[in-house]
Amino acid sequence: KAGVTQTPRYLIKTRGQQVTLSCSPISGHRSVSWYQQTPGQGLQFLFEYFSETQRNKGNFPGRFSGRQFSNSRSEMNVSTLELGDSALYLCASRPQGSSYEQYFGPGTRLTVT
Amino acid sequence: QKEVEQNSGPLSVPEGAIASLNCTYSDRGSQSFFWYRQYSGKSPELIMFIYSNGDKEDGRFTAQLNKASQYVSLLIRDSQPSDSATYLCVRLRADSWGKLQFGAGTQVVVTP
Repeated sequence: KAGVTQTPRYLIKTRGQQVTLSCSPISGHRSVSWYQQTPGQGLQFLFEYFSETQRNKGNFPGRFSGRQFSNSRSEMNVSTLELGDSALYLCASRPQGSSYEQYFGPGTRLTVT
Repeated sequence: QKEVEQNSGPLSVPEGAIASLNCTYSDRGSQSFFWYRQYSGKSPELIMFIYSNGDKEDGRFTAQLNKASQYVSLLIRDSQPSDSATYLCVRLRADSWGKLQFGAGTQVVVTP
């Protein structure tokens, strides 16, 4: 079974621009979570989507938003980029039922200049 | 205080020895724990998960959960150079849907 895929893998943007990242979960997984990883803050939860609904949100400003489509693919958007948004953005999906483990994609490395 | 605490290391372990990683957490609510391994430049990879008090073994890995003392540990037996990575202790609280809470990670270096 194919793993979680994320596109693009690398991205360079300028301050003030906006960016959209995409995530396709493992087939059959309907829950998708997004995380930001930086050297200073480590891995931090952004939000989780299930069946096109946001179920949980981390402590990030409103510039960070996301959505999920009916095929479970998810996108996250960051508007008005700041230098501090430079990070590895990871998407994770998890199966339904009693399993709680999440499986991560390879990530999108965003650099803001 | 972070909700999930780990010693950042590095933890230097001779090849073939046992690596012991510890993690403490801040409250006693219903929760599950996961250990992820992350190689430099790569995404986290799930190694083990544990929900109940006690030990859980999977190959060379053993996870231990002690809810009374609020700690989780991971033992890596017969450590190999390929085990050199950062190990992340992760908590999922029962009331938080998919929101994983990560420790800062412990860097393990296995020396030949």
